[in-house]
Amino acid sequence: DVKVTQSSRYLVKRTGEKVFLECVQDMDHENMFWYRQDPGLGLRLIYFSYDVKMKEKGDIPEGYSVSREKKERFSLILESASTNQTSMYLCASSPGTRVNEQFFGPGTRLTVL
Amino acid sequence: QKEVEQDPGPLSVPEGAIVSLNCTYSNSAFQYFMWYRQYSRKGPELLMYTYSSGNKEDGRFTAQVDKSSKYISLFIRDSQPSDSATYLCAMTNTNAGKSTFGDGTTLTVKP
Repeated sequence: DVKVTQSSRYLVKRTGEKVFLECVQDMDHENMFWYRQDPGLGLRLIYFSYDVKMKEKGDIPEGYSVSREKKERFSLILESASTNQTSMYLCASSPGTRVNEQFFGPGTRLTVL
Repeated sequence: QKEVEQDPGPLSVPEGAIVSLNCTYSNSAFQYFMWYRQYSRKGPELLMYTYSSGNKEDGRFTAQVDKSSKYISLFIRDSQPSDSATYLCAMTNTNAGKSTFGDGTTLTVKP
């Protein structure tokens, strides 16, 4: 069964902390994505990656960075967390030639105090 | 203006009703049209997708794409309480490398 897992379901951090969100997929997918989901704003793409060590900015990359050292793992980093980064963070993966078929993880609800 | 606009809802219907969920878009390069379902406190899951114009049916669900009008729909027949969720439309072109999502419509089916 296809699976995307995220390291935490709920996370509470303080302003200024460095935050790591981890995502692992077991489907050998080439593409991986990080989104944030906010009421009234929908799903917004932060970063995506086509391959190991490759990354592309999405629509809202400011304040975030990513790392993909292994094919199955895609990390989202908040260098200095701020309250406006409180959100639901969703990771997804898809096969290389089928970006239309994305498989999502359960999400991480991040609260920055 | 957003590239993808989705009827905001929320939508509340009685069990057994036919439900219509709709999105419009502005980018004529979109070729793949997807519908995702998201239950509360879960990640979205892909329901079905359509390539280019036309209809696609999967059980009680029918996806319809009209590229000339830049309008897509998802119909749910004989709706069930288990269909209560947020439905997201999404679109992509083969060269984009990413999908563009609508904001979602929350559906409640009452027993």
